Amino acid sequence: DGGITQSPKYLFRKEGQNVTLSCEQNLNHDAMYWYRQDPGQGLRLIYYSQIVNDFQKGDIAEGYSVSREKKESFPLTVTSAQKNPTAFYLCASRVAGTDSNQPQHFGDGTRLSIL
Amino acid sequence: AQKITQTQPGMFVQEKEAVTLDCTYDTSDQSYGLFWYKQPSSGEMIFLIYQGSYDEQNATEGRYSLNFQKARKSANLVISASQLGDSAMYFCAMREDPNAGGTSYGKLTFGQGTILTVHP
Repeated sequence: DGGITQSPKYLFRKEGQNVTLSCEQNLNHDAMYWYRQDPGQGLRLIYYSQIVNDFQKGDIAEGYSVSREKKESFPLTVTSAQKNPTAFYLCASRVAGTDSNQPQHFGDGTRLSIL
Repeated sequence: AQKITQTQPGMFVQEKEAVTLDCTYDTSDQSYGLFWYKQPSSGEMIFLIYQGSYDEQNATEGRYSLNFQKARKSANLVISASQLGDSAMYFCAMREDPNAGGTSYGKLTFGQGTILTVHP
């Protein structure tokens, strides 16, 4: 089955530590996205990538970094500069192109907490 | 800048009845897309329905329909014959025209969400 796999499902971070969240898709999608969701809130865009080796900052990129070395993979690193990292992180992908009706498909998310 | 407003933090509905979840939006774009997603307590985001700004007909997908009123900038989701499994958080989202240029291609702006509870 094609889909988006996020791992781990739960992650704990110590103070001053960088952690990396994995996102892999086998949908052959060009565009990939990372969102942050706080309790009872909507999703906010952290970073997105339209093609390999290219990515753009979203609305809340400070304290985060990404890479896009392969089409299938778009890992997110939460750095020690992100002072409030506790949240639910969702990865999404989408077919690139001009068909604006194509939805973003989401993974199951990673819950990150501070120890 | 785009903005999505969902004014109902929570809604309750009796099983088998219909319910409308409100969504209003603000954009200066002429071309845009509107999406509704369902988020169960497990956390995954499930795509429900899409409406394009130039679509003349309201979108329908099974028990889901979209009441699109462009002049009022509203895109309300109607769920008919509610089921217990419909209990979840529902998000309205908007995407700007990917042909409009700029660097935010395909970016979605989400509302705050509405928690729907279906009672037996």
